[in-house]
Amino acid sequence: KNQVEQSPQSLIILEGKNCTLQCNYTVSPFSNLRWYKQDTGRGPVSLTIMTFSENTKSNGRYTATLDADTKQSSLHITASQLSDSASYICVVRVGSSNTGKLIFGQGTTLQVKP
Amino acid sequence: DTEVTQTPKHLVMGMTNKKSLKCEQHMGHRAMYWYKQKAKKPPELMFVYSYEKLSINESVPSRFSPECPNSSLLNLHLHALQPEDSALYLCASSQVGRDRTYEQYFGPGTRLTVT
Repeated sequence: KNQVEQSPQSLIILEGKNCTLQCNYTVSPFSNLRWYKQDTGRGPVSLTIMTFSENTKSNGRYTATLDADTKQSSLHITASQLSDSASYICVVRVGSSNTGKLIFGQGTTLQVKP
Repeated sequence: DTEVTQTPKHLVMGMTNKKSLKCEQHMGHRAMYWYKQKAKKPPELMFVYSYEKLSINESVPSRFSPECPNSSLLNLHLHALQPEDSALYLCASSQVGRDRTYEQYFGPGTRLTVT
């Protein structure tokens, strides 16, 4: 069964601190892995997309890593800001279809406190 | 323009009502999606349209009826819904093709409450 698991479920950090979110997946066939940020009541916004051959990708203060051998990914947030408070969702695209079914993780809820 | 718009933002309807959710994009994307998201849960795929044709229906009850009148518009017609259908309904769009890193762009969602 295709699954994406994220940890921790929730996280509270102080403003300015760094944090790392984890994602493990069992998806076959694997196409690519995405991290989305979703503010409460809003649609998800893409942070990074990585294919099988990519190990790391950055988007400003967000850096995602991918280990395709162990089927693990992480999202590292540097120098957190209050606006980083959101749900972060790891999403893996399945297979070869051109319209790409996405398998969503349960998300990690991040709260950044002043 | 990388925006997907959805209307209305909020909708309250009774179980006997008929209503429609609307989604629009002008990015030239030929794939459009409907997702349902319950509180504190990830989005669940409902339907996928590719080149205005329904390509995926994730066994969604017939009280939800999608429609793609043209490449920019996607509707979701609602009839005889149940209270458990209350959720955030998200629309997304993407390009279609061999490059499977094509991103899905999500709209802000319609918050639906069924009374």
